[in-house]
Amino acid sequence: GENVEQHPSTLSVQEGDSAVIKCTYSDSASNYFPWYKQELGKRPQLIIDIRSNVGEKKDQRIAVTLNKTAKHFSLHITETQPEDSAVYFCAALARRGVPTFGRGTSLIVHP
Amino acid sequence: DAMVIQNPRYQVTQFGKPVTLSCSQTLNHNVMYWYQQKSSQAPKLLFHYYDKDFNNEADTPDNFQSRRPNTSFCFLDIRSPGLGDAAMYLCATSTTLGTSGGAQYFGPGTRLTVT
Repeated sequence: GENVEQHPSTLSVQEGDSAVIKCTYSDSASNYFPWYKQELGKRPQLIIDIRSNVGEKKDQRIAVTLNKTAKHFSLHITETQPEDSAVYFCAALARRGVPTFGRGTSLIVHP
Repeated sequence: DAMVIQNPRYQVTQFGKPVTLSCSQTLNHNVMYWYQQKSSQAPKLLFHYYDKDFNNEADTPDNFQSRRPNTSFCFLDIRSPGLGDAAMYLCATSTTLGTSGGAQYFGPGTRLTVT
């Protein structure tokens, strides 16, 4: 089945810096890659997603890039703010259509 | 607002005492999922329904069962909870399955404590 690796497990940045979280996947048939943000004690919420016919997608301070050949995709957050502090999960939609999640990255933005 | 609702938000049960968690959705989505999430871990898929078709993950213990009586509701039954079953249980929905895919919408979760 699909296997999704996510790095780093913890990322600490200063407010205003950029943050990059990377994921790799194993199933070349996967073609949908969502990113979820989960604040402490709250539900995961979709923040951005990308499909395999697109190489990059941007939404304000958040962008996602996809390299299908290398089977990796990344989340980029620019001008980080304290409210960006949360756990971020990447996921890949596998062949049978059930998402496989990465282990999560705890992002800490220091004021 | 269309949403995913879980009840109760907090549930305390005794070791071995059956418990049922519920999820409802107003999104009219075809797919409903149940995840178990332990502290500092990714959500772990237990099972999902596509309409009435039930799909169990291979490593989901037999202790966990699910029911989906209609499109809107889905239940998670834990027949004999153990201490290791204490976790946050998340319900999620999506419009469809398949590699065309779709975003998942999560409920707020039920935090289960086993005493």
